[in-house]
Amino acid sequence: EADIYQTPRYLVIGTGKKITLECSQTMGHDKMYWYQQDPGMELHLIHYSYGVNSTEKGDLSSESTVSRIRTEHFPLTLESARPSHTSQYLCASSESGVYNSPLHFGNGTRLTVT
Amino acid sequence: AQSVTQPDIHITVSEGASLELRCNYSYGATPYLFWYVQYPGQHLQLLLKYFSGDPLVKGIKGFEAEFIKSKFSFNLRKPSVQWSDTAEYFCAVNEDDYKLSFGAGTTVTVRA
Repeated sequence: EADIYQTPRYLVIGTGKKITLECSQTMGHDKMYWYQQDPGMELHLIHYSYGVNSTEKGDLSSESTVSRIRTEHFPLTLESARPSHTSQYLCASSESGVYNSPLHFGNGTRLTVT
Repeated sequence: AQSVTQPDIHITVSEGASLELRCNYSYGATPYLFWYVQYPGQHLQLLLKYFSGDPLVKGIKGFEAEFIKSKFSFNLRKPSVQWSDTAEYFCAVNEDDYKLSFGAGTTVTVRA
């Protein structure tokens, strides 16, 4: 059972809508991440945070934005969804101060934009 | 960013057969290396990791991986697979920060 929770699990939404994907973790981890996963492709890091009020863009450019107001919460927002945003979004967290600390993943949100 | 290559997209093996999944990375120094597994309908979870010492590391569920520095490889192996090993396997590399770079994954199907 994951200690990191993502909602919704599935979302189908029309073009132009604003959406927020929720991610929460109960482990007290400072570091949190959002990855985008498409079938047969690498997981691409789109956002990360090293703590409260810290957010950075990842290696893959994304039109989404994130916020980190609380340690346990790292939501991702798309202001205006487009079909190109259709993908699976994975949230993860890891311990501080340890380079080899593994990531803990949520179950993901599968987003479809029609 | 780090480049991670998993050359095999899909592997089908019979139950009881051995399994080897290939992973190559592009980083010059010794990175931190991981294998993750995603069972159908479940979240990604850690199988094993390597960061120093014995290049042969053992993980959960009978898996092991060997780091070969000269080949920039970190291949995953299991001597005898079970049907429950059907999953997608991802190799990941961490250079010297907290961001992991993942390969495209290898889907393993174990047939009875």
